[in-house]
Amino acid sequence: QVHLVESGGGVVQPGRSLRLSCAASGFTFSSYTIHWVRQAPGKGLEWVAVIWDHGSNRDYTDSVKGRFTISRDDSKNTLYLQMNNLRAEDTAVYYCTRDGGGSYPLYYFDFWGQGTLVTVSS
Amino acid sequence: DIVMTQSPDSLAVSLGERATINCKSSQSVLYSSSNRNYLAWYQQKPGQPPNLLIYWASTRESGVPDRFSGSGSGTNFTLYISSLQAEDVAVYFCQQYYTTPLTFGPGTKVDIK
Repeated sequence: QVHLVESGGGVVQPGRSLRLSCAASGFTFSSYTIHWVRQAPGKGLEWVAVIWDHGSNRDYTDSVKGRFTISRDDSKNTLYLQMNNLRAEDTAVYYCTRDGGGSYPLYYFDFWGQGTLVTVSS
Repeated sequence: DIVMTQSPDSLAVSLGERATINCKSSQSVLYSSSNRNYLAWYQQKPGQPPNLLIYWASTRESGVPDRFSGSGSGTNFTLYISSLQAEDVAVYFCQQYYTTPLTFGPGTKVDIK
């Protein structure tokens, strides 16, 4: 079955960097669009970024543009999120999510990982 | 950005009774050429990631019990739980996927009365 396992979270000071990873299994990773969605503690859900199959297209929410980079290594079935110049408001659980559209992205999320917590604090 | 709102913020329903959750978008999420509403519903239980319930406003995801159903079009949508079970205690979110940035409603917490 589909598994998405995030890692790389932790406590980091404002202005520093962190790279999250998401290891995928149970499906043909290279054929799917994948997203990052985050959830601040006790708060709602916020879409962060998307990368299409084979990395053909990427998009970001405005608050992370220029600071975060989404990428993928299809040979390793792994998704990444490079987060630079982190701010307190980036504190959240970051979820890796699979797009429900298969080879044609639709931008809803049919499988979610368990998430990894990023805390930005001095 | 499309702003999603939900009502009520929370509700308590007796076991076996119906729960109704409303979701409203600040602009239509109906794509006219396909006549499809780009609206999904998710359930999030404490300590767990969200789980997809409904997409295209009314299509139930595989494996989701048929007591969950969705309706609506344009800007107004509703999630129904026809006969509330104890395991349905959760927060429910709507999400529009009509355009980026993808946006979610603030959530509706469902409890047992």
